[in-house]
Parts: sequence; C-alpha cells; structure tokens
Amino acid sequence: QQQVKQSPQSLIVQKGGISIINCAYENTAFDYFPWYQQFPGKGPALLIAIRPDVSEKKEGRFTISFNKSAKQFSLHIMDSQPGDSATYFCAARDQGGKLIFGQGTELSVKP
Amino acid sequence: ETGVTQSPTHLIKTRGQQVTLRCSSQSGHNTVSWYQQALGQGPQFIFQYYREEENGRGNFPPRFSGLQFPNYSSELNVNALELDDSALYLCASSLEASAGMRYFGPGTRLTVT
Repeated sequence: QQQVKQSPQSLIVQKGGISIINCAYENTAFDYFPWYQQFPGKGPALLIAIRPDVSEKKEGRFTISFNKSAKQFSLHIMDSQPGDSATYFCAARDQGGKLIFGQGTELSVKP
Repeated sequence: ETGVTQSPTHLIKTRGQQVTLRCSSQSGHNTVSWYQQALGQGPQFIFQYYREEENGRGNFPPRFSGLQFPNYSSELNVNALELDDSALYLCASSLEASAGMRYFGPGTRLTVT
C-alpha cells in the first residue's frame, strides 16, 4: 500500500521529443506528489509537484498529469534537451510527511 | 543550490564501526528528514525531526539514530555498520513538518568494507 511504482526504468528520447514517465500508487491518503531530478553524484532536486485536487500542472517544459480515480500520475518533458539527461523520481507524501519514492527512470536525450 | 549542506562528502568505514553524518538545513527550515539511497534505487525514508523531536520513522533498525539541534542542524548516527549500509545518505529540509516541499542536500556517500 505504501509503494509507488514507476515506469519505464530507462528511456531514450531524441532531442526535441517528448519524454513521458509514469507512476502509480495505492494509498489514497497520499496528499502531495513531487517529481525530483537527480544527476550523478548529486542529491535529488525538486522539479515540480502537484496536489491530488488538481489534474494538471505545468511549469515551463515540465507538466504533471494527475488521474486521481486511476491513482496514476505522469511527468511530461516537452522539447527534451540533452541537459535533461538524468534520473527522475516520482514520489508521494503520506500523512506523516514521509516521502515514498519510485524506483527511478534513467532518461537519456540524444542530440 | 538548495542551501542544505552535508558533511562529509565521502566516507569509508569498516564493518562494525560507527559513523556520524551531519546536515545543515536551509535557513528558516525547522524540519529535517534523512533518506538512504542505495545504488540504482530510490531514496528510502529513515526518520524525520521536527523542532528537535523525532516525528516519523521508516523501517530501519534502532542502530540508526539521529539528533536535531536548536539551530535545526541534524546528525545521523549509525552503529555496528554492515556492508548493506553502503549507500548515499541524503538529508532534506522543509519549512514545516507538514510542508510538501523537501529540499535535499548533496548527500554523503558511505562505503562500508
């Protein structure tokens, strides 16, 4: 119930293309869903986040789509660039404030 | 940069030893949480401190303990180190325990041999 399942495990996208990463959860008490970007040797950096009462949130080239009934949410990266190559983690926050992370998606954007 | 700093950057210890990792949270943040990230995995929640009190703990044994100081900096202590403790240890701070946003530091890479 506390798991967050993320897919795909790895993703290769051409420069200018759309990168899509999906996550699913079971616990309906989760109340906050952030996405983090992590470069090798660095800590995760908060990218964008959404609350379950909103179906979509856009910040620049990054969009979260949220489907409460399906208990799924996804990250879309428009016009993907080589500098976006990193590992992306979805997460969900439980009522105690703990973040539960997905397993990560390694994104590679080819020039 | 998030303003969250951690020390040391890297550490090598021998099985059975004890280790202390340190974290300075972002200015004004009174909540700090610690995560363990094994290679190729997502971070796993260890525990959280709010105003110097532990207010949440993940599935980690008691040999993982922590402290938060009046200036909201924090320590993670691990006793009787095991090989499986080798990981990146991340500290994250937030404005309040209930706040969603968690700002992570760069982490401490611990290797247990």
